[in-house]
Amino acid sequence: DGGITQSPKYLFRKEGQNVTLSCEQNLNHDAMYWYRQDPGQGLRLIYYSQIVNDFQKGDIAEGYSVSREKKESFPLTVTSAQKNPTAFYLCASRNKGSSYNEQFFGPGTRLTVL
Amino acid sequence: AQSVAQPEDQVNVAEGNPLTVKCTYSVSGNPYLFWYVQYPNRGLQFLLKYITGDNLVKGSYGFEAEFNKSQTSFHLKKPSALVSDSALYFCAAAMNTGFQKLVFGTGTRLLVSP
Repeated sequence: DGGITQSPKYLFRKEGQNVTLSCEQNLNHDAMYWYRQDPGQGLRLIYYSQIVNDFQKGDIAEGYSVSREKKESFPLTVTSAQKNPTAFYLCASRNKGSSYNEQFFGPGTRLTVL
Repeated sequence: AQSVAQPEDQVNVAEGNPLTVKCTYSVSGNPYLFWYVQYPNRGLQFLLKYITGDNLVKGSYGFEAEFNKSQTSFHLKKPSALVSDSALYFCAAAMNTGFQKLVFGTGTRLLVSP
């Protein structure tokens, strides 16, 4: 899992609550990503950021928000507007020097809505 | 639309036998292709990538993959499987321009029996 940490490992949320998932990297990577993983669906891109103070929506951004105030950090907030938030969330980062550089993934956070 | 297909949900192989995990892609232009592996409740680990050049790419843990442009395939192979290779394998593709947005397949579970 390289130099990317995600916390917490497990998170339980009641319906109607917002929760924030942490992602920190010490790889000095400019680009960071958030993915959602559901069984049998592979990974889907939620948000991405190529530089501090800038981020873009991915394929399934509705009900999520992010910030990128520091190069090392890219927290994801799952809001009450996200209708089906139970999933495994993965953060990744990449050295964007070349478009073929691979992404490095964190260990993930498993979110369960009670 | 870009897509990646992994036609087999699960591949079963005996330890010591060769293994193949299949991947086909539909990406405009010349894609970058990646293989990642995921162990239970963990993030994804990078195995190998194809950028350009030699169609046979060698990666981590004895894995290799063969790029076939005419068949738009990028199958993952290993000459002799180990029980410890049992995991979930993802193929991913990205266009070779600008920001790297990965499109993932749905994953193939590899089960290596002793």
